[in-house]
Amino acid sequence: GNSVTQMEGPVTLSEEAFLTINCTYTATGYPSLFWYVQYPGEGLQLLLKATKADDKGSNKGFEATYRKETTSFHLEKGSVQVSDSAVYFCALSGGSNYKLTFGKGTLLTVNP
Amino acid sequence: DSGVTQTPKHLITATGQRVTLRCSPRSGDLSVYWYQQSLDQGLQFLIQYYNGEERAKGNILERFSAQQFPDLHSELNLSSLELGDSALYFCASSVEGLRGGPLSEQYFGPGTRLTVT
Repeated sequence: GNSVTQMEGPVTLSEEAFLTINCTYTATGYPSLFWYVQYPGEGLQLLLKATKADDKGSNKGFEATYRKETTSFHLEKGSVQVSDSAVYFCALSGGSNYKLTFGKGTLLTVNP
Repeated sequence: DSGVTQTPKHLITATGQRVTLRCSPRSGDLSVYWYQQSLDQGLQFLIQYYNGEERAKGNILERFSAQQFPDLHSELNLSSLELGDSALYFCASSVEGLRGGPLSEQYFGPGTRLTVT
């Protein structure tokens, strides 16, 4: 079945540092890939997505590229802010239905 | 605001009891999905409905059931509750539901926090 593996957290960075959160996946066919963000006490919000190989999703300074050859979808941001502190989830959708399969989540804390 | 509403926001109940969680999808979305978020299991897909019909089932216990009504709102029923059922339950909605084509986006509600004591 489908599965998503993302780097264990927590990740603690200083403001303006570079962020990478690794995500790899296992799926049959051509899944769509997503990064969702969960701020404290809130639901999940879509951060970015990519639906085919070599697509780059981007939003709010975050980027991730769909790499089929390495089955990866790493999240990056060049300069994080305190307001980026949240839990980040990598997810995929593929196969015969549209359910999302999530990674375990990575807690990011950005200190001023 | 995603446009998906869930009620109640918090629910505290005792073991053995039954509860109903409610979800209203975004306007125009025909698919509703239910997910459970717990510390040990992470985010897990429970069940999907499309336009009133069950479309996909995940790791949903037999004690749990769901339905989608003609007005497209959905309810998740949890019965014979156990301590381990304590979790955040999210509802999400999307336009898609029929097979084929990539998923564009699922919009998540704020969740219902269930505490079983």
